[in-house]
Amino acid sequence: SQQGEEDPQALSIQEGENATMNCSYKTSINNLQWYRQNSGRGLVHLILIRSNEREKHSGRLRVTLDTSKKSSSLLITASRAADTASYFCAIMGGGSNYKLTFGKGTLLTVNP
Amino acid sequence: DSGVTQTPKHLITATGQRVTLRCSPRSGDLSVYWYQQSLDQGLQFLIQYYNGEERAKGNILERFSAQQFPDLHSELNLSSLELGDSALYFCASSPFDSYYGYTFGSGTRLTVV
Repeated sequence: SQQGEEDPQALSIQEGENATMNCSYKTSINNLQWYRQNSGRGLVHLILIRSNEREKHSGRLRVTLDTSKKSSSLLITASRAADTASYFCAIMGGGSNYKLTFGKGTLLTVNP
Repeated sequence: DSGVTQTPKHLITATGQRVTLRCSPRSGDLSVYWYQQSLDQGLQFLIQYYNGEERAKGNILERFSAQQFPDLHSELNLSSLELGDSALYFCASSPFDSYYGYTFGSGTRLTVV
């Protein structure tokens, strides 16, 4: 299956702390993407990392990709209460298949 | 506002009925994707259209069908509805049939009673 699996399923931290979420997958990929979803709302694209990239940054977000271990991590630094949401990794496979396959997500709670 | 418009936002209907969910992609985007999100199954890919043509199919039931019109808006038709079809249905769009991130709509919450 191309589905990514996030770990942990839930994470609770204090404001100002860093949050790290991991994603593992089983197949080859073209790219891996991270999305955020506030409760019951639409998903928001955070960052895309291609299979030939190892690290990307966007503001307080840092994503790493290790294709040899088939894993990725999302680090949110200096977390805020507004970061409370579910975070999903999504796999885009190779070839002419451009669909995204999502994991079940990590629920992040940032306590004020 | 993401630029992807989904209507209606909420829908309550009875078992056995048929409903149509509508999606207008972000301006300039040619690809439209439909996903179903439920607590037990997570986000499941249903179907993709690119510039009016079906491009990929996922776990879409035979009771469900979709199409993309010349103006690029898309409709997802759900028929013979069952209680288990209750879920959030999302539409997403991307610029090309290529390796880009998606822009999601805010979803249609379907409740089958």
